[in-house]
Amino acid sequence: AQSVAQPEDQVNVAEGNPLTVKCTYSVSGNPYLFWYVQYPNRGLQFLLKYITGDNLVKGSYGFEAEFNKSQTSFHLKKPSALVSDSALYFCAVRDYRDSNYQLIWGAGTKLIIKP
Amino acid sequence: DTGVSQNPRHKITKRGQNVTFRCDPISEHNRLYWYRQTLGQGPEFLTYFQNEAQLEKSRLLSDRFSAERPKGSFSTLEIQRTEQGDSAMYLCASSLAGTGEPWETQYFGPGTRLLVL
Repeated sequence: AQSVAQPEDQVNVAEGNPLTVKCTYSVSGNPYLFWYVQYPNRGLQFLLKYITGDNLVKGSYGFEAEFNKSQTSFHLKKPSALVSDSALYFCAVRDYRDSNYQLIWGAGTKLIIKP
Repeated sequence: DTGVSQNPRHKITKRGQNVTFRCDPISEHNRLYWYRQTLGQGPEFLTYFQNEAQLEKSRLLSDRFSAERPKGSFSTLEIQRTEQGDSAMYLCASSLAGTGEPWETQYFGPGTRLLVL
């Protein structure tokens, strides 16, 4: 069965420091991987996705994510955190062999950037 | 604004009442998804449309839930005989993809928050 794990409920980072939000996945085939961000009382906003090719994916707002097939991970990173990055971050996966089109979602990681 | 819109943004109802939510996707998006999200959890898939055809429905979805997309544009989600456990944020997303393209990006609306008293 497909699954996504975000092992940290909350990540605290000081402004200006690099940040990492972790995501690991389990699929039977090759994965399509996504990161979304959710601000309070708002819908989910797409950040980036991995389909194939380069393992380092660059996305919106200076975020990037590294796909690691051997570790089945897709961690979200940013070199220098901003207070405005504070939000809820979700990782999602879809198996390319899956005949349906469901995204399987992690439970989310709350990112808090302190000034 | 050309994003996904949802109405109403908030709905308070009494147990046993019926409620209906509307989603207007991004123009020309052929796929439309409904999700439910509870506090502290990721979105839970409910159902999916390709144009006007409802192609998939979650096994977890009660018979009290029904969704339509009559002309392949806007969609409605109706919950009949609401229960307190239905209290959640209901999210709609749309995407544009060709046949056999499961990697498309889904764009989400702001959600409808339902509270069942």
